[in-house]
Amino acid sequence: DAGVIQSPRHEVTEMGQEVTLRCKPISGHDYLFWYRQTMMRGLELLIYFNNNVPIDDSGMPEDRFSAKMPNASFSTLKIQPSEPRDSAVYFCASSVAGLSYNEQFFGPGTRLTVL
Amino acid sequence: AQSVTQLGSHVSVSEGALVLLRCNYSSSVPPYLFWYVQYPNQGLQLLLKYTTGATLVKGINGFEAEFKKSETSFHLTKPSAHMSDAAEYFCAVSVGIRGNQFYFGTGTSLTVIP
Repeated sequence: DAGVIQSPRHEVTEMGQEVTLRCKPISGHDYLFWYRQTMMRGLELLIYFNNNVPIDDSGMPEDRFSAKMPNASFSTLKIQPSEPRDSAVYFCASSVAGLSYNEQFFGPGTRLTVL
Repeated sequence: AQSVTQLGSHVSVSEGALVLLRCNYSSSVPPYLFWYVQYPNQGLQLLLKYTTGATLVKGINGFEAEFKKSETSFHLTKPSAHMSDAAEYFCAVSVGIRGNQFYFGTGTSLTVIP
């Protein structure tokens, strides 16, 4: 299995620009999670989906952030407009409810730098 | 409510010394317990997990952890630290069959001193 795939691996953009991060979960997984990791705040859960439906977005920092999952094999996290404080590593993870004891499988992350 | 507490956000050990990273959990139901490791500039990967059966579980790279129900703990140990063990370590708990019932601790950064 290819594992969770994220793209791009690195993104550098200027303040005010739109940023789109992409994730392909492991085939057959029905939960998908988006996390953000910074030195100051550690690992934060932003939003998660179950069967492509957003269940809890209470971790999304503000309206500039949005996430979609149009099908079982693809999800996006969009920031519009981006700000320097959005600079972080963004991880996508997926899991199968009930199987493997809900173990989450992580992608390699996208390192976002907003200038 | 379920939660995971990792005592010590930063731990330093000398190369060759014992590694002990602490994790305590609170759960109203029997939990499944995990340790993840994150090497610099990489994603999180599973180090080991406890589900059922033997309470002492072994993972990759010589790490092991023991589930102690009476102490609600799942501490991670390694007898002899290696420079390559320097990383961030996360404890996590799963408390149900739904995928969202999975909770991470805040992480412990391990530094190995040569």
